[in-house]
Amino acid sequence: DAKTTQPPSMDCAEGRAANLPCNHSTISGNEYVYWYRQIHSQGPQYIIHGLKNNETNEMASLIITEDRKSSTLILPHATLRDTAVYYCIVRVEWNSGGSNYKLTFGKGTLLTVNP
Amino acid sequence: DAMVIQNPRYQVTQFGKPVTLSCSQTLNHNVMYWYQQKSSQAPKLLFHYYDKDFNNEADTPDNFQSRRPNTSFCFLDIRSPGLGDAAMYLCATSRETGGNQPQHFGDGTRLSIL
Repeated sequence: DAKTTQPPSMDCAEGRAANLPCNHSTISGNEYVYWYRQIHSQGPQYIIHGLKNNETNEMASLIITEDRKSSTLILPHATLRDTAVYYCIVRVEWNSGGSNYKLTFGKGTLLTVNP
Repeated sequence: DAMVIQNPRYQVTQFGKPVTLSCSQTLNHNVMYWYQQKSSQAPKLLFHYYDKDFNNEADTPDNFQSRRPNTSFCFLDIRSPGLGDAAMYLCATSRETGGNQPQHFGDGTRLSIL
């Protein structure tokens, strides 16, 4: 799976949009971009994933650049409860080695939403 | 409603005393995973089941074993816990193993070793 690079920390004001960047310059054509978050003392929570097109759900939007080398997770109106570590993960759709089941977590971005 | 349930949330055991952690799911997913997350580190996969087929990660210590008696339940057994096994243990499920299948996590069991 391609490696990802995220800033270690970010701050955001409550009620504002939080834009979390992720660099995945070595991504392959069949690799998905996933976002999870982990609030302190809880399990990781799935947020969203995408392949080429931008995606939106009730939690967030995922913007993937045309060359797919980077993406941005957008939380449109951040609340204090969105304070968490956000992980950007790239997963291959399928491979003959069978490691497609893995989620390989990096260090993530600690997003702090301030009042 | 919780879909991946881990019990207990906190578990204390003695050095060398076997311990079992449990996970149940209401999603009817084929795949169940166990991850270990040590303090200030990212989760690390230990093993997974696809239905009844067990798949161990190459670097998972022999001290760690797992059972999946049916679709809904999966157990993590630590035969002789050492101090280095103190961690959060996370269970996750997915419908299939493909890269287009999100994994859904429980809230974990935090294991302490005395």
